[in-house]
Amino acid sequence: DIVMTQSPLSLPVTPGEPASISCRSSQSLLHSNGYNYLDWYLQKPGQSPQLLISLGSNRASGVSDRFSGSGSGTDFTLRITRVEAEDVGLYYCMQGLQTPLSFGQGTRLEIK
Amino acid sequence: EVQLVESGGRLVQSGGSLRLSCAGSGFTFSHYALSWVRQAPGKGLEWVSGISGSGNGAYYADSVEGRFTISRANSENTLYLQIHSLRVDDTATYYCARSPLMGRPFYAFQIWGQGTVVAVS
Repeated sequence: DIVMTQSPLSLPVTPGEPASISCRSSQSLLHSNGYNYLDWYLQKPGQSPQLLISLGSNRASGVSDRFSGSGSGTDFTLRITRVEAEDVGLYYCMQGLQTPLSFGQGTRLEIK
Repeated sequence: EVQLVESGGRLVQSGGSLRLSCAGSGFTFSHYALSWVRQAPGKGLEWVSGISGSGNGAYYADSVEGRFTISRANSENTLYLQIHSLRVDDTATYYCARSPLMGRPFYAFQIWGQGTVVAVS
Protein backbone atom coordinates (compact mmCIF):
# COMPACT_ATOMS: atom_id res chain seq x y z
CA ASP A 1 0.00 0.00 0.00
CA ILE A 2 1.13 3.56 -0.70
CA VAL A 3 1.85 5.75 2.34
CA MET A 4 1.38 9.51 2.06
CA THR A 5 3.34 11.86 4.33
CA GLN A 6 2.56 15.56 4.65
CA SER A 7 4.58 18.37 6.23
CA PRO A 8 4.17 20.49 8.13
CA LEU A 9 1.18 19.25 10.12
CA SER A 10 0.47 22.73 11.45
CA LEU A 11 0.93 25.92 9.43
CA PRO A 12 0.30 29.33 10.98
CA VAL A 13 0.32 32.04 8.31
CA THR A 14 -0.05 35.81 8.31
CA PRO A 15 -2.76 37.02 5.88
CA GLY A 16 -1.26 38.10 2.59
CA GLU A 17 1.80 35.89 3.03
CA PRO A 18 2.50 32.78 0.95
CA ALA A 19 2.25 29.23 2.23
CA SER A 20 3.30 25.81 1.01
CA ILE A 21 2.59 22.22 2.01
CA SER A 22 4.70 19.22 1.07
CA CYS A 23 3.39 15.74 0.32
CA ARG A 24 5.55 12.69 -0.26
CA SER A 25 4.47 9.23 -1.35
CA SER A 26 6.19 5.93 -0.60
CA GLN A 27 5.91 4.96 -4.28
CA SER A 28 5.89 6.95 -7.49
CA LEU A 29 2.45 8.26 -8.44
CA LEU A 30 3.41 8.62 -12.09
CA HIS A 31 1.14 6.50 -14.29
CA SER A 32 2.26 5.11 -17.64
CA ASN A 33 -0.08 7.66 -19.25
CA GLY A 34 2.16 10.47 -17.99
CA TYR A 35 -0.15 11.74 -15.26
CA ASN A 36 0.66 11.91 -11.57
CA TYR A 37 -2.36 10.71 -9.60
CA LEU A 38 -2.05 13.15 -6.73
CA ASP A 39 -4.92 15.32 -5.52
CA TRP A 40 -5.16 18.12 -2.97
CA TYR A 41 -8.28 18.71 -0.88
CA LEU A 42 -9.31 21.39 1.60
CA GLN A 43 -11.74 20.66 4.40
CA LYS A 44 -13.03 23.87 5.91
CA PRO A 45 -14.38 23.73 9.47
CA GLY A 46 -17.71 21.89 9.60
CA GLN A 47 -17.73 21.14 5.86
CA SER A 48 -17.14 18.25 3.51
CA PRO A 49 -13.78 18.16 1.76
CA GLN A 50 -13.47 20.05 -1.53
CA LEU A 51 -11.15 19.31 -4.43
CA LEU A 52 -8.47 21.94 -5.05
CA ILE A 53 -5.97 20.26 -7.38
CA SER A 54 -6.04 17.00 -9.33
CA LEU A 55 -3.35 15.15 -11.26
CA GLY A 56 -0.68 17.01 -9.38
CA SER A 57 -1.24 20.42 -10.94
CA ASN A 58 -4.73 20.76 -12.44
CA ARG A 59 -6.73 23.37 -10.57
CA ALA A 60 -10.34 22.28 -10.05
CA SER A 61 -13.22 24.29 -11.41
CA GLY A 62 -13.96 27.38 -9.34
CA VAL A 63 -10.74 27.20 -7.32
CA SER A 64 -8.87 30.46 -6.86
CA ASP A 65 -5.70 30.89 -8.92
CA ARG A 66 -3.92 31.62 -5.64
CA PHE A 67 -3.69 27.83 -5.32
CA SER A 68 -1.22 25.83 -7.39
CA GLY A 69 0.17 22.32 -7.32
CA SER A 70 3.49 20.99 -8.55
CA GLY A 71 5.69 17.95 -8.38
CA SER A 72 6.10 14.53 -9.93
CA GLY A 73 6.88 11.01 -8.89
CA THR A 74 7.01 11.00 -5.11
CA ASP A 75 7.36 14.68 -4.17
CA PHE A 76 4.53 17.20 -4.46
CA THR A 77 3.81 20.71 -3.21
CA LEU A 78 0.69 22.80 -2.77
CA ARG A 79 1.32 26.54 -2.80
CA ILE A 80 -0.92 29.43 -1.83
CA THR A 81 0.38 32.76 -3.11
CA ARG A 82 -1.42 35.05 -0.67
CA VAL A 83 -3.24 33.43 2.23
CA GLU A 84 -6.68 34.77 3.08
CA ALA A 85 -8.87 34.14 6.13
CA GLU A 86 -11.14 31.88 4.07
CA ASP A 87 -8.24 29.47 3.42
CA VAL A 88 -8.33 28.21 7.03
CA GLY A 89 -8.87 24.48 7.38
CA LEU A 90 -7.31 21.07 6.91
CA TYR A 91 -5.40 20.33 3.72
CA TYR A 92 -5.00 16.74 2.55
CA CYS A 93 -3.09 15.15 -0.28
CA MET A 94 -4.44 11.88 -1.69
CA GLN A 95 -2.99 9.34 -4.09
CA GLY A 96 -5.40 7.89 -6.63
CA LEU A 97 -2.93 5.75 -8.55
CA GLN A 98 -3.83 2.46 -6.96
CA THR A 99 -6.30 0.97 -4.53
CA PRO A 100 -6.43 1.21 -1.63
CA LEU A 101 -6.36 4.97 -2.06
CA SER A 102 -4.57 6.83 0.72
CA PHE A 103 -4.57 10.31 2.22
CA GLY A 104 -1.86 12.23 4.00
CA GLN A 105 -2.32 13.01 7.70
CA GLY A 106 -3.60 16.50 6.97
CA THR A 107 -2.07 19.96 7.46
CA ARG A 108 -3.96 22.47 9.58
CA LEU A 109 -3.62 26.00 8.20
CA GLU A 110 -4.43 28.74 10.67
CA ILE A 111 -4.25 32.50 10.53
CA LYS A 112 -1.73 34.22 12.78
CA GLU B 1 -27.43 20.74 -9.64
CA VAL B 2 -25.02 17.84 -9.29
CA GLN B 3 -25.51 16.39 -5.83
CA LEU B 4 -24.81 13.43 -3.56
CA VAL B 5 -26.86 12.90 -0.41
CA GLU B 6 -25.96 10.26 2.17
CA SER B 7 -28.33 8.66 4.67
CA GLY B 8 -28.59 5.71 7.00
CA GLY B 9 -26.13 6.65 9.71
CA ARG B 10 -27.20 6.07 13.31
CA LEU B 11 -26.12 4.79 16.71
CA VAL B 12 -25.59 1.02 16.69
CA GLN B 13 -24.13 -1.52 19.08
CA SER B 14 -20.80 -3.18 18.48
CA GLY B 15 -21.25 -6.30 16.39
CA GLY B 16 -24.31 -4.94 14.63
CA SER B 17 -24.96 -4.19 10.97
CA LEU B 18 -25.92 -1.10 9.02
CA ARG B 19 -26.55 -0.05 5.42
CA LEU B 20 -25.62 3.41 4.27
CA SER B 21 -27.09 4.97 1.14
CA CYS B 22 -25.93 7.75 -1.16
CA ALA B 23 -28.41 9.21 -3.63
CA GLY B 24 -27.08 10.96 -6.71
CA SER B 25 -28.84 13.58 -8.80
CA GLY B 26 -28.09 16.02 -11.59
CA PHE B 27 -25.82 13.66 -13.55
CA THR B 28 -25.88 10.30 -15.36
CA PHE B 29 -25.24 8.10 -12.34
CA SER B 30 -23.89 5.03 -14.14
CA HIS B 31 -21.19 7.02 -15.92
CA TYR B 32 -19.15 7.62 -12.79
CA ALA B 33 -17.20 5.60 -10.26
CA LEU B 34 -18.04 6.34 -6.65
CA SER B 35 -16.21 5.94 -3.37
CA TRP B 36 -16.89 5.98 0.35
CA VAL B 37 -14.51 8.02 2.51
CA ARG B 38 -14.80 8.18 6.29
CA GLN B 39 -13.53 10.50 8.99
CA ALA B 40 -13.39 9.47 12.63
CA PRO B 41 -14.05 12.26 15.16
CA GLY B 42 -11.08 14.63 15.18
CA LYS B 43 -9.14 12.46 12.73
CA GLY B 44 -8.14 12.57 9.09
CA LEU B 45 -9.75 11.22 5.94
CA GLU B 46 -9.70 7.49 5.20
CA TRP B 47 -10.76 5.95 1.89
CA VAL B 48 -12.98 2.96 2.61
CA SER B 49 -14.22 1.55 -0.69
CA GLY B 50 -14.80 2.34 -4.34
CA ILE B 51 -16.92 0.92 -7.15
CA SER B 52 -16.93 1.33 -10.91
CA GLY B 53 -19.82 2.92 -12.76
CA SER B 54 -21.11 -0.44 -13.97
CA GLY B 55 -20.78 -1.97 -10.50
CA ASN B 56 -18.52 -4.74 -11.81
CA GLY B 57 -15.42 -3.59 -9.96
CA ALA B 58 -15.41 -3.14 -6.17
CA TYR B 59 -12.38 -2.30 -4.06
CA TYR B 60 -11.76 -1.99 -0.33
CA ALA B 61 -9.35 -0.69 2.27
CA ASP B 62 -7.57 -3.43 4.17
CA SER B 63 -9.22 -2.27 7.40
CA VAL B 64 -12.73 -3.08 6.13
CA GLU B 65 -12.18 -5.94 3.70
CA GLY B 66 -14.57 -8.78 4.51
CA ARG B 67 -16.87 -6.66 6.70
CA PHE B 68 -17.96 -3.92 4.26
CA THR B 69 -19.72 -4.45 0.93
CA ILE B 70 -20.13 -1.66 -1.60
CA SER B 71 -22.83 -1.87 -4.28
CA ARG B 72 -24.91 0.38 -6.47
CA ALA B 73 -28.36 0.42 -8.06
CA ASN B 74 -27.91 2.54 -11.17
CA SER B 75 -31.61 2.36 -12.00
CA GLU B 76 -32.27 4.09 -8.68
CA ASN B 77 -29.23 6.41 -8.77
CA THR B 78 -28.14 5.04 -5.40
CA LEU B 79 -24.86 3.85 -3.91
CA TYR B 80 -24.78 1.57 -0.88
CA LEU B 81 -22.36 0.52 1.82
CA GLN B 82 -23.35 -2.56 3.79
CA ILE B 83 -21.43 -2.79 7.06
CA HIS B 84 -21.29 -5.94 9.20
CA SER B 85 -19.61 -6.73 12.53
CA LEU B 86 -19.42 -3.06 13.44
CA ARG B 87 -16.58 -2.06 15.75
CA VAL B 88 -16.11 1.01 17.92
CA ASP B 89 -13.35 2.19 15.58
CA ASP B 90 -15.87 2.30 12.69
CA THR B 91 -17.38 5.37 14.39
CA ALA B 92 -17.06 8.14 11.82
CA THR B 93 -18.74 10.45 9.37
CA TYR B 94 -19.10 8.57 6.10
CA TYR B 95 -18.94 10.55 2.87
CA CYS B 96 -19.65 9.40 -0.66
CA ALA B 97 -17.61 11.02 -3.42
CA ARG B 98 -17.62 10.96 -7.22
CA SER B 99 -14.66 10.33 -9.52
CA PRO B 100 -14.49 11.83 -13.03
CA LEU B 101 -14.24 8.44 -14.76
CA MET B 102 -16.34 5.27 -14.93
CA GLY B 103 -13.57 3.07 -13.61
CA ARG B 104 -10.15 3.15 -12.02
CA PRO B 105 -8.10 5.01 -11.21
CA PHE B 106 -10.32 6.66 -8.62
CA TYR B 107 -9.19 10.24 -8.20
CA ALA B 108 -10.28 13.89 -8.36
CA PHE B 109 -13.29 13.64 -6.06
CA GLN B 110 -14.99 16.77 -7.37
CA ILE B 111 -18.38 15.98 -5.83
CA TRP B 112 -18.88 15.06 -2.16
CA GLY B 113 -21.98 14.49 -0.07
CA GLN B 114 -22.59 16.16 3.26
CA GLY B 115 -21.84 12.94 5.16
CA THR B 116 -23.80 10.61 7.43
CA VAL B 117 -22.72 9.84 11.01
CA VAL B 118 -22.21 6.30 12.26
CA ALA B 119 -21.68 5.88 16.00
CA VAL B 120 -20.81 2.45 17.41
CA SER B 121 -21.15 1.83 21.15
